[in-house]
Amino acid sequence: DTEVTQTPKHLVMGMTNKKSLKCEQHMGHRAMYWYKQKAKKPPELMFVYSYEKLSINESVPSRFSPECPNSSLLNLHLHALQPEDSALYLCASSQDLLGEAFFGQGTRLTVV
Amino acid sequence: GQQVMQIPQYQHVQEGEDFTTYCNSSTTLSNIQWYKQRPGGHPVFLIQLVKSGEVKKQKRLTFQFGEAKKNSSLHITATQTTDVGTYFCAGPGDSSYKLIFGSGTRLLVRP
Repeated sequence: DTEVTQTPKHLVMGMTNKKSLKCEQHMGHRAMYWYKQKAKKPPELMFVYSYEKLSINESVPSRFSPECPNSSLLNLHLHALQPEDSALYLCASSQDLLGEAFFGQGTRLTVV
Repeated sequence: GQQVMQIPQYQHVQEGEDFTTYCNSSTTLSNIQWYKQRPGGHPVFLIQLVKSGEVKKQKRLTFQFGEAKKNSSLHITATQTTDVGTYFCAGPGDSSYKLIFGSGTRLLVRP
């Protein structure tokens, strides 16, 4: 299994809602990532987990809260988002830090 | 901070023509990776280069890592409509284990 699975594929949420994005991989990868991608822009790193511990937080606002319940799962909890947070949110994993990254298909988020 | 720029930003070619995108880093890179993202899709890993001056080929794609390890290129010979997408280079961020993506080159191929 060489897939990274993200759910949901699409999400529309209001600015007062709380929602969660989910990511799962069964490749035994020890590094997992959240990226944000705006239209016609490169993916922008948000968080890095290594061995289930948060390694890097790229100064992301606290309305985004990551969680790594186990080595296969990565969540991104969303609360009180702004319309400018609308984007494609990509999860990725790699065998180790800086290795070949496998990306999920992403969650297209719209904040209204 | 570290910057990874790609040129051109956008290229429209006739099917059968060659295509090249260039990646330039403001700092020396320990390695560089290339990804392809189809329209509406997600980035897909193509290759990783590690050694100075390294050249790798995948069918019609040729990847090169500069001698100074600050630049890289991807060349596609005889483009096909299936080559359409955005090509990103990506390298380690300075002083930390994070993958920084270049600005990307969007390729369109006229059939």
